[in-house]
Amino acid sequence: QSALTQPASVSGSPGQSITISCTGTSSDVGGYNSVSWYQQHPGKAPNLMIYEVSNRPSGVSNRFSGSKSGNTASLTISGLQAEDEADYYCSSYTSSSTLVFGGGTKLTVL
Amino acid sequence: QVQLQESGPGLVKASETLSLTCAVSGYSISSGYYWGWIRQPPGKGLEWIGSISHSGSTYYNPSLKSRVTISVDASKNQFSLKLSSVTAADTAVYYCARLLGVVTPSGYWGQGTLVTVSS
Repeated sequence: QSALTQPASVSGSPGQSITISCTGTSSDVGGYNSVSWYQQHPGKAPNLMIYEVSNRPSGVSNRFSGSKSGNTASLTISGLQAEDEADYYCSSYTSSSTLVFGGGTKLTVL
Repeated sequence: QVQLQESGPGLVKASETLSLTCAVSGYSISSGYYWGWIRQPPGKGLEWIGSISHSGSTYYNPSLKSRVTISVDASKNQFSLKLSSVTAADTAVYYCARLLGVVTPSGYWGQGTLVTVSS
């Protein structure tokens, strides 16, 4: 199974909005509403930010939102804050009943 | 509050078997959910290893399937990972997690444990 495709890095200024894309195929992202997004700060375990494409776990800021169109899912962070600087990973359920992650995107808050 | 804690040797010799255990507290594994392992080589991205149900049904990453065994011990409220014939490429931080569905990590993760494969 091939990793999902994410941009290596994105950046934005405080208060701005950014979007991270996650591209797969019809056998993963496009075929199921089982896309999740994780935030990972250095030296820490990943934290679930979005599940099932657009659902936020309790405790996650509503500045984080998710969507999907075809084989590409997206994570949007609005009102960018310094603490949002982290690595972000998408994941998707696949037709083989496995999980595939994206390569990760480093978000820099300027 | 659900908590997960990985344990096991931090150093494994090449060609040997890596063995890790994930102890779960605050929730009984017998009550349900799938439980899984994810790893992250130093400076690299996340890789899903596999998952197991409370009753022992398993799903594995095809690229690791021939070397991986995940098992559950409900009496001890823990599950385990064995990875055989390890090489330097298996050096990584290994995380355990409770899952959403059968494969997707939830918000409950262990802190991770670094396993280094030495030659």
